[in-house]
Amino acid sequence: DVKVTQSSRYLVKRTGEKVFLECVQDMDHENMFWYRQDPGLGLRLIYFSYDVKMKEKGDIPEGYSVSREKKERFSLILESASTNQTSMYLCASSGLGLAGRTDTQYFGPGTRLTVL
Amino acid sequence: AQTVTQSQPEMSVQEAETVTLSCTYDTSESDYYLFWYKQPPSRQMILVIRQEAYKQQNATENRFSVNFQKAAKSFSLKISDSQLGDAAMYFCAYRTYNQGGKLIFGQGTELSVKP
Repeated sequence: DVKVTQSSRYLVKRTGEKVFLECVQDMDHENMFWYRQDPGLGLRLIYFSYDVKMKEKGDIPEGYSVSREKKERFSLILESASTNQTSMYLCASSGLGLAGRTDTQYFGPGTRLTVL
Repeated sequence: AQTVTQSQPEMSVQEAETVTLSCTYDTSESDYYLFWYKQPPSRQMILVIRQEAYKQQNATENRFSVNFQKAAKSFSLKISDSQLGDAAMYFCAYRTYNQGGKLIFGQGTELSVKP
């Protein structure tokens, strides 16, 4: 089974702190994604990466950055946390299926971040 | 830009009964995938079912089936013989062909199952 893990289930930080959210997948997937989940809004894409050291902005990248130094690990960074970044953060990964097309995304358990 | 709409924030079903969750989407693409994901209270998002747009046949997965109407841009999920373990938040999602295959999610429908 595909396994996607996230470093913390719950995290509490103070405004202005630098925050690192880590995600690791064990299936040698090329693509990795960071989503933010808020009630009534569903999930929104922050950043994604289709290869090591490659990244693309999603729909809501402001206030976030990412790092992918190794294929299995994708980090989300909040340079200076703010209260409006209090949310659930979900990581996902996917491989390449038939004819090189992106396959199904598998999700981690999520990190509930609270910024005070 | 593609959008996905789930117009039912909450649904309820009696155990062993059938329930249908609605989803509509908007796109100008002809080639895409649609998904239903389930997120139980433990928060691990799980794939329920997927549908390729080029396939006319509706996907089925045990008690879960979809009604895919491409022209109407509608993608509903039917859960038959509902079980207590089906209680969860359900998300409809559209996957783009480009942009790394990112998913565009609806707002979610919270399903409760009454014993």
